[in-house]
Amino acid sequence: DIQMTQSPASLSASLGETVTIECRASEDIYSNLAWYQQKPGNSPQLLIYDANSLADGVPSRFSGSGSGTQYSLKINSLQSEDVASYFCQQYNNYPYTFGAGTKLELK
Amino acid sequence: QVQLKESGPGLVQPSETLSLTCTVSGFSLTSYSVSWVRQPSGKGPEWMGRMWYDGDTAYNSALKSRLSISRDTSKNQVFLKMNSLQTDDTGTYYCTRDYYDGTYYYVGVMDAWGQGASVTVSS
Repeated sequence: DIQMTQSPASLSASLGETVTIECRASEDIYSNLAWYQQKPGNSPQLLIYDANSLADGVPSRFSGSGSGTQYSLKINSLQSEDVASYFCQQYNNYPYTFGAGTKLELK
Repeated sequence: QVQLKESGPGLVQPSETLSLTCTVSGFSLTSYSVSWVRQPSGKGPEWMGRMWYDGDTAYNSALKSRLSISRDTSKNQVFLKMNSLQTDDTGTYYCTRDYYDGTYYYVGVMDAWGQGASVTVSS
């Protein structure tokens, strides 16, 4: 199985700040990577797919990048509604696997 | 409007079988694939398996010996059955749908999720 390693596990940032979350795959996943946002008590919601494509309705302050085994999610101008956990997921191989998550809080 | 809704017992005895139903609306099970994903509290999700739009199935090899996914297209329902439950099977179970942008199916990209069914394995 492909292991997805996310960092950091938790992150504290101020409103308006830019934050970056990293995700490393244990092998090349050819940009078959998605990012999800999960607010407390809610289901995950798709943010990014194919490493850098923004899902419908997702604000443009979210962006994804990367290739091979290294990927990142960037949030520009952090808003209060961005407080959530973020997960990366590879869909290059079965079984699809997720990272352990990054919990983003406001400073 | 696309909706998925999980239903099933909240409490299951150890060694017993879990049965969950995912009822969908706003799309057809013969056009979209549906996956089951579970998430222990405070941890990352785990993909369990999928029901393809054509009725084929795929399973996470770690769960394959215990897991069965089926469907009833006439009722717009997908079913999960998993036997020999243990305490580490406790968590929230979601059904999800693959993303379609109107031209291309993104297999494995989950753009719609149910609200989740909380399952506790305990005696």
